[in-house]
Amino acid sequence: DTEVTQTPKHLVMGMTNKKSLKCEQHMGHRAMYWYKQKAKKPPELMFVYSYEKLSINESVPSRFSPECPNSSLLNLHLHALQPEDSALYLCASSQGLAGQNTDTQYFGPGTRLTVL
Amino acid sequence: AQSVTQLDSHVSVSEGTPVLLRCNYSSSYSPSLFWYVQHPNKGLQLLLKYTSAATLVKGINGFEAEFKKSETSFHLTKPSAHMSDAAEYFCVVYTGGFKTIFGAGTRLFVKA
Repeated sequence: DTEVTQTPKHLVMGMTNKKSLKCEQHMGHRAMYWYKQKAKKPPELMFVYSYEKLSINESVPSRFSPECPNSSLLNLHLHALQPEDSALYLCASSQGLAGQNTDTQYFGPGTRLTVL
Repeated sequence: AQSVTQLDSHVSVSEGTPVLLRCNYSSSYSPSLFWYVQHPNKGLQLLLKYTSAATLVKGINGFEAEFKKSETSFHLTKPSAHMSDAAEYFCVVYTGGFKTIFGAGTRLFVKA
């Protein structure tokens, strides 16, 4: 099973709201990723967790706050977002073999976020 | 530095005809390369990957890709297009340390 699940599928929020995106995988993967994808563009890496520790933060604004409660779950907490943050947010996971070229990422279906 | 270039932003084919989506890469060492497909408003699905084993890689849904080191290419092909193949396709190179580089994407249109 190579399934990564994400909830919710769609989210509409105001600029003063606080919301969270959730991602889950049960493949025993030890690396989990958040990507942001704008329309007609490739995904852009935001964060990577490896063995539940933040490994990469691609200079993402602090209004995005990731959390990895355990090896299967990854959250993205959202606060005081801007309309330009509207995008498809994709979660991915991989075995976590950072030094090996076989570390394949598997993606979830994404959460479509609209900030009003 | 590593990079990946998808040579066509759009490709249009008729149903039942061959598909060719072109990808060139730049890497100072033997790369790992992937093709992903994304249907509208969906996540990315792995089609196939090359990780220095066989140079001809077979993937899902009848797709395959050939790694050609001399041409620094990893083109994606399918003998016969189906309407359900209409989607966005991304060529991706793995750069190590959890990082990958995505190509800009190629939109495949399939005409009936």
